[in-house]
Amino acid sequence: QKEVEQNSGPLSVPEGAIASLNCTYSDRGSQSFFWYRQYSGKSPELIMFIYSNGDKEDGRFTAQLNKASQYVSLLIRDSQPSDSATYLCAVKSYNTDKLIFGTGTRLQVFP
Amino acid sequence: EAGVVQSPRYKIIEKKQPVAFWCNPISGHNTLYWYLQNLGQGPELLIRYENEEAVDDSQLPKDRFSAERLKGVDSTLKIQPAELGDSAVYLCASSLEAGGPEQFFGPGTRLTVL
Repeated sequence: QKEVEQNSGPLSVPEGAIASLNCTYSDRGSQSFFWYRQYSGKSPELIMFIYSNGDKEDGRFTAQLNKASQYVSLLIRDSQPSDSATYLCAVKSYNTDKLIFGTGTRLQVFP
Repeated sequence: EAGVVQSPRYKIIEKKQPVAFWCNPISGHNTLYWYLQNLGQGPELLIRYENEEAVDDSQLPKDRFSAERLKGVDSTLKIQPAELGDSAVYLCASSLEAGGPEQFFGPGTRLTVL
């Protein structure tokens, strides 16, 4: 079992729709959760991080964390073609500064 | 504020040749990371430095990979000799401090081993 699992996609959504990206993790000691966006040929850039159960909103992005079920999700409202990228979920455990990345989900937003 | 700088951006070498990558982190960032990213995969940590000390190098293949961060600023990652399977993107990242919420990534070096 991989430590951080994501569906590789592609996830295709029409412009203006809500894109829902999911991630599960295996280490119950995980404390910090991150979503990175990576455009093709570019380096990852941080979109959001979340530490506590529940929702965290930032503009069109909402991160949701459920530690009991060991999943974290990212919702993108009013999806735009410029949101088309690979979204990487990353998890950091309590006793280490090491980020464990998933393989990423490729999102395609079509006009 | 300048971001993380890496060079070269692209490198093509033949197998068994040596190669080196250079990284200059964001000014004031004490923690520096080297990651390897294969196509279709997420980044995997190779080594983490806090200032000039390598605090996590458990994933670094020490038979052929080496790294240094002299004076706690710039860092160099070396492969000698390179193998075909080393073809990947090598990413450098930095953060203000260990445990900080955000790691800032450089543009990466795309290595092709022929």
